[in-house]
Amino acid sequence: DAGVIQSPRHEVTEMGQEVTLRCKPISGHDYLFWYRQTMMRGLELLIYFNNNVPIDDSGMPEDRFSAKMPNASFSTLKIQPSEPRDSAVYFCASSPRSGGGINEQFFGPGTRLTVL
Amino acid sequence: KQEVTQIPAALSVPEGENLVLNCSFTDSAIYNLQWFRQDPGKGLTSLLLIQSSQREQTSGRLNASLDKSSGRSTLYIAASQPGDSATYLCAVSPYNTDKLIFGTGTRLQVFP
Repeated sequence: DAGVIQSPRHEVTEMGQEVTLRCKPISGHDYLFWYRQTMMRGLELLIYFNNNVPIDDSGMPEDRFSAKMPNASFSTLKIQPSEPRDSAVYFCASSPRSGGGINEQFFGPGTRLTVL
Repeated sequence: KQEVTQIPAALSVPEGENLVLNCSFTDSAIYNLQWFRQDPGKGLTSLLLIQSSQREQTSGRLNASLDKSSGRSTLYIAASQPGDSATYLCAVSPYNTDKLIFGTGTRLQVFP
């Protein structure tokens, strides 16, 4: 398996523009997670899906952020309009479920977003 | 609210030393604890997962222990090498949730 795939790897945009980040999870994994990593706040969970259904979006910072998972092999995280404080590395991760709790999570390489 | 803390925040050691990285968490109601490695500009790689019923896990030169009642885990790295240089993060999976709560990480540098 190719692992979790994210695109683009780098994105530079101007304030006010719409940004769409993409993720392809590992085939067969039931869970998909979107994280944001910054120096100040570390790694934060934004939202996660189970079987394509959003379960917890309490980490989504504002209404400017939205995420979808139209099928088991694709998810998007959209920011509209983008702001400079959204600059961060955004990670997607997937995980199978095994017994109680979350099993091992597999992370993608991340998308480094810079909003000017 | 579950909080995860890692000490030290940064560590620089000469090659060959045995290392201990610490992770503490405030709520012992967890399913498991994981240790990850993150290289600069890269994603996270899972190193070890310890279920709440386990005391430790080993993989090569790495050994992770878990003391759930005291809210502590340690990652032991034997005979450190320059290739071990990275940021190490621990994360817990609390009961009644499918989330992982991450610590802020320990940045390790092993110099020749």
